[in-house]
Amino acid sequence: DTGVSQNPRHKITKRGQNVTFRCDPISEHNRLYWYRQTLGQGPEFLTYFQNEAQLEKSRLLSDRFSAERPKGSFSTLEIQRTEQGDSAMYLCASSSRLPGQGTYEQYFGPGTRLTVT
Amino acid sequence: KQEVTQIPAALSVPEGENLVLNCSFTDSAIYNLQWFRQDPGKGLTSLLLIQSSQREQTSGRLNASLDKSSGRSTLYIAASQPGDSATYLCAPPGNTGKLIFGQGTTLQVKP
Repeated sequence: DTGVSQNPRHKITKRGQNVTFRCDPISEHNRLYWYRQTLGQGPEFLTYFQNEAQLEKSRLLSDRFSAERPKGSFSTLEIQRTEQGDSAMYLCASSSRLPGQGTYEQYFGPGTRLTVT
Repeated sequence: KQEVTQIPAALSVPEGENLVLNCSFTDSAIYNLQWFRQDPGKGLTSLLLIQSSQREQTSGRLNASLDKSSGRSTLYIAASQPGDSATYLCAPPGNTGKLIFGQGTTLQVKP
């Protein structure tokens, strides 16, 4: 257990439905990242928060995707009008600066497996 | 744009062998590089973080090296065990600290 939790762990939905995932980072971590991983591939970056500010969004993040991190604590990722191509593992990671370093080490949650039928 | 390649894509070895997993990256202006392990259907577990000022980092039977100038990192696993079977991913950070992943090396250690 890395200390990063994600809910739900699995989600099956029908095409066209909306889904929302939650990530609870390690409490003292100010950075939070979302990634998507499809079968046989490495994770791909989706978006990044520093505290409550969303500072970067990948071109992978279409208009149907939205992410929030109110109050700089937990984060939610919502997918509207799901498509079969959205089926993937959605991973959350959090990080903070290593003491005395300019380096951030990322810790990942267990992921949410989305299946769109 | 950072691109990461891991070779080999898959590896099957008998128990007890020492092995090396390779990672190459195109942009050498990195502060660090993380190695992760991923079991099927699970999240990523951080194994080692090697900073740009270090050449090696060790944890138990694992040793990671980093050569920024050549854009390469290796993960050495000593005395492999069946429990080491998993996918291993290397990830240098891009700007803003987001990690850039290759496709990973899937390792099977046979008893």
